[in-house]
Amino acid sequence: GENVEQHPSTLSVQEGDSAVIKCTYSDSASNYFPWYKQELGKRPQLIIDIRSNVGEKKDQRIAVTLNKTAKHFSLHITETQPEDSAVYFCAASMRSGGYQKVTFGIGTKLQVIP
Amino acid sequence: IAGITQAPTSQILAAGRRMTLRCTQDMRHNAMYWYRQDLGLGLRLIHYSNTAGTTGKGEVPDGYSVSRANTDDFPLTLASAVPSQTSVYFCASSDPALGTDTQYFGPGTRLTVL
Repeated sequence: GENVEQHPSTLSVQEGDSAVIKCTYSDSASNYFPWYKQELGKRPQLIIDIRSNVGEKKDQRIAVTLNKTAKHFSLHITETQPEDSAVYFCAASMRSGGYQKVTFGIGTKLQVIP
Repeated sequence: IAGITQAPTSQILAAGRRMTLRCTQDMRHNAMYWYRQDLGLGLRLIHYSNTAGTTGKGEVPDGYSVSRANTDDFPLTLASAVPSQTSVYFCASSDPALGTDTQYFGPGTRLTVL
């Protein structure tokens, strides 16, 4: 089955600096890669996603890159703000029958220091 | 529009008791999922349902059962709870047939089994 590894497990940055979280996956059949942000005590919420036919996607201060050949993808947050502090999960996903088979990374706890 | 809701918000349960966690969505999504979230292990799939009337096993199904009598509801039952089932449980839904692979999560149920 699919295996997703996520690094680092914790990350502290100064406000205004950039943060990068990296993930690797094992199954070349995975073709959809969402990133979720989870604040303490809240539900995971999608912040950005990328499909396997795209190499990069950007949404304001957040960007995701995908290298299909190397099977790795990364989340980049620029100009970090204290409200970016949360746990971030990457995931690798493929359609299997009528449902979406999703494998999550173990999460990265990001702390933005004011 | 509520999206996806779960009940109860939290529960403390004696070992050996039966417990049903409720999940309801009003987005008419065909696919629904149950995950458990444990520190250091990320989100792991317990059971899923492609569409009303069908269910399937995920990564960690033992000790849990589900049913899908209609599109909106997807209850998760612990027949005889054990302390290792202490976790935060998230229900999610998606509908690839709508052209999106995004999973939307409910607010979660925090379950403690003593």
